[in-house]
Amino acid sequence: AQSVAQPEDQVNVAEGNPLTVKCTYSVSGNPYLFWYVQYPNRGLQFLLKYITGDNLVKGSYGFEAEFNKSQTSFHLKKPSALVSDSALYFCAVRDPYGSSNTGKLIFGQGTTLQVKP
Amino acid sequence: NAGVTQTPKFQVLKTGQSMTLQCAQDMNHEYMSWYRQDPGMGLRLIHYSVGAGITDQGEVPNGYNVSRSTTEDFPLRLLSAAPSQTSVYFCASCVGFKFTDTQYFGPGTRLTVL
Repeated sequence: AQSVAQPEDQVNVAEGNPLTVKCTYSVSGNPYLFWYVQYPNRGLQFLLKYITGDNLVKGSYGFEAEFNKSQTSFHLKKPSALVSDSALYFCAVRDPYGSSNTGKLIFGQGTTLQVKP
Repeated sequence: NAGVTQTPKFQVLKTGQSMTLQCAQDMNHEYMSWYRQDPGMGLRLIHYSVGAGITDQGEVPNGYNVSRSTTEDFPLRLLSAAPSQTSVYFCASCVGFKFTDTQYFGPGTRLTVL
């Protein structure tokens, strides 16, 4: 079964400092991983995904994620955090579609990022 | 290109009332789905559709109906609202069913059932 885990409920970082939001995964087959962000009272916005190739994936709003197959991790990073990055971040993997499988997204529990001025 | 749109943004219902949450996408996506987001429970799949005329149940389908008469629209109907259906509802769409296809979410509907 596919699953992702986000070990931290909350990450606090000062503005201008680098940030990391952690994600580990367990999948059968090749890992295809996603990051989404949810700003307060808003929907989920797609940030980036890993399909294959370069282990460093660049996404929206200056975010990037590092895929590490040996550690089964897909950590979200940003070199310099902004107060406006404060939000809820979700790592996700997609369930297969077919037979009894729905093709749904399987989300981690989410990590709240708090960037202090 | 509006992406995925949902109406209404907010709704308050009384127990037993029915209503329809609207969802539309203009990206010609085949796969559409409804999730509900509850504190401590993450996002759970209610129903999904892989094309016009085809729908199926997700993890928590009880109390909800869906239909897909067109590629663009995927409304979610609450048949007889219950307080347990108080939640934030998200519609999502995706070009297809591959592992690598990105799902795009609407802004959500915040529903309160009294």
